Amino acid sequence: QKEVEQNSGPLSVPEGAIASLNCTYSDRGSQSFFWYRQYSGKSPELIMFIYSNGDKEDGRFTAQLNKASQYVSLLIRDSQPSDSATYLCAVNRIIKTSYDKVIFGPGTSLSVIP
Amino acid sequence: KAGVTQTPRYLIKTRGQQVTLSCSPISGHRSVSWYQQTPGQGLQFLFEYFSETQRNKGNFPGRFSGRQFSNSRSEMNVSTLELGDSALYLCASSEFDRNYGYTFGSGTRLTVV
Repeated sequence: QKEVEQNSGPLSVPEGAIASLNCTYSDRGSQSFFWYRQYSGKSPELIMFIYSNGDKEDGRFTAQLNKASQYVSLLIRDSQPSDSATYLCAVNRIIKTSYDKVIFGPGTSLSVIP
Repeated sequence: KAGVTQTPRYLIKTRGQQVTLSCSPISGHRSVSWYQQTPGQGLQFLFEYFSETQRNKGNFPGRFSGRQFSNSRSEMNVSTLELGDSALYLCASSEFDRNYGYTFGSGTRLTVV
């Protein structure tokens, strides 16, 4: 079992729809969770992070965390063609008390169709 | 603030050579992490440095090494290059508490021929 798993996609949604991206992780000790967006040929860019169970909203983006199910998701409302990118889920694993390690999932490719 | 600066942007090397990549983090950020990104393996963690000390290391062979200087700039070295080392190498800068996420540099695209 991989430490962080995502649907590889590609996920295609029409413009204006809600895009739903999912991520599961294996280490119950994971503390914080991130979503990065990576456009083709560019480096990843942080768009959301979440620590607590529940929802966190930032503009058109909502991150959802369920630690009991070891599941984190990203919803993109009113999807735009400019949202077309690969979305990377990242999980902060505790290695020792003083530091930890960030593990990335393989990414989900999203295509928003005009 | 200036972003994370990686140099060079592109490199072409031949098998058996060695290469050094450089990363300057955001001013005030003391943690620098290195990742290798390939289409097949995604983002793989190489190592992390904080205050000139390697705090964490991924599962890469000893040919991959790094260091951090007192000004937080970091270098990564790969010796005896193999074809499979062709990848995008990304440097990520963060403040001490990494729970707030990384800022990535633009990366160095290494091609080994």
